Amino acid sequence: GENVEQHPSTLSVQEGDSAVIKCTYSDSASNYFPWYKQELGKGPQLIIDIRSNVGEKKDQRIAVTLNKTAKHFSLHITETQPEDSAVYFCAASYSGGYQKVTFGIGTKLQVIP
Amino acid sequence: DTAVSQTPKYLVTQMGNDKSIKCEQNLGHDTMYWYKQDSKKFLKIMFSYNNKELIINETVPNRFSPKSPDKAHLNLHINSLELGDSAVYFCASSQLTFRDRVIANTGELFFGEGSRLTVL
Repeated sequence: GENVEQHPSTLSVQEGDSAVIKCTYSDSASNYFPWYKQELGKGPQLIIDIRSNVGEKKDQRIAVTLNKTAKHFSLHITETQPEDSAVYFCAASYSGGYQKVTFGIGTKLQVIP
Repeated sequence: DTAVSQTPKYLVTQMGNDKSIKCEQNLGHDTMYWYKQDSKKFLKIMFSYNNKELIINETVPNRFSPKSPDKAHLNLHINSLELGDSAVYFCASSQLTFRDRVIANTGELFFGEGSRLTVL
């Protein structure tokens, strides 16, 4: 089955700096890579996703990159703000079948004002 | 107007008891899930239902029994609760799309706010 590794597990940055979270996956059949943000006491919420036919995707201050050959993908947050503080999960799945999403262990991001 | 709602939000109970968590989604999705999040925040799928039919059943003890009376509801019943069952349980839903009768996209997962179960 799929195995997703995520690092770092915790990340502290100063407000305004950039944050990068990296993930690797094992199953070459995976073709859908979402990122979820979980705020304290809430359920995870999709913030951005990327499919295997795309190498990079950007949405305002967040961007994801995908290297399918190396089987790794990354989340980049620029100009971080205190409200970006949360746990971020990367995930991988094969969208051609019933979705079984495998999540990484999560990265707790703390943005220091 | 909550999209995926689950009850109760908190549940404290003794070992050996039986408890249920209910989930409802008003998004019109046809697929629902139960995820378990342990104390280290690790999210792991337990079950998935598509149009009331069980499609994913991970290695979960038989003490856990999901039930989907209709595609908008997915409940989770747990028998003989153990200390290790303490966790946050998340319900989620998504919408499958088909192309030429083949699943083309399984889409975004919409999560509920979680039910924190504490077994004493």
